Amino acid sequence: NAGVTQTPKFRILKIGQSMTLQCAQDMNHNYMYWYRQDPGMGLKLIYYSVGAGITDKGEVPNGYNVSRSTTEDFPLRLELAAPSQTSVYFCASSSRDGYRYRATNEKLFFGSGTQLSVL
Amino acid sequence: ILNVEQSPQSLHVQEGDSTNFTCSFPSSNFYALHWYRWETAKSPEALFVMTLNGDEKKKGRISATLNTKEGYSYLYIKGSQPEDSATYLCASPRGTSGTYKYIFGTGTRLKVLA
Repeated sequence: NAGVTQTPKFRILKIGQSMTLQCAQDMNHNYMYWYRQDPGMGLKLIYYSVGAGITDKGEVPNGYNVSRSTTEDFPLRLELAAPSQTSVYFCASSSRDGYRYRATNEKLFFGSGTQLSVL
Repeated sequence: ILNVEQSPQSLHVQEGDSTNFTCSFPSSNFYALHWYRWETAKSPEALFVMTLNGDEKKKGRISATLNTKEGYSYLYIKGSQPEDSATYLCASPRGTSGTYKYIFGTGTRLKVLA
């Protein structure tokens, strides 16, 4: 069971370039998330999805786009990369089942992270 | 408290010492408090999910307590070992039950010295 697979692990971009971070999960989770981690800051939510075809903005969505064409995949697209997007990115999925919080049976499963530098 | 806050930011302890650190969160509209362990070059992994006031959870030498009335959780490590070195994150779902999002603290970076 692979869990959450995230690629690439490292990437260096030049200002203005674009790229897509891939995320796939094999746990049949409906909820998927993209976070970024900046030094000294908590994980900040970029975008999330509650199921195939449905996405919504998180706390810091500017400069990013997402799509969710299947339950398994949730790619994050960076358009016109800027130095402010230098960060560590994590994809996650949730064992969340349904609309309401289900407490003990819900937790986040994270991918291995992507360290992105924009120079 | 409006956000999820953790203290201290970092901590160095000797092997064999016991230690603890704090996660503070808004006590209103509380759903749950999660603890994750994040080792260097790996992804965060869930340690505990706590929901009830007075909850106490244990996993080996690591345990956690929860006080939802005052909005804090403690994570304890007994007899720290070098393999406990990691960043410990706490997170709390915030918002209405249908549209909640996880808010993370900044983490406590623990280094256990051999």
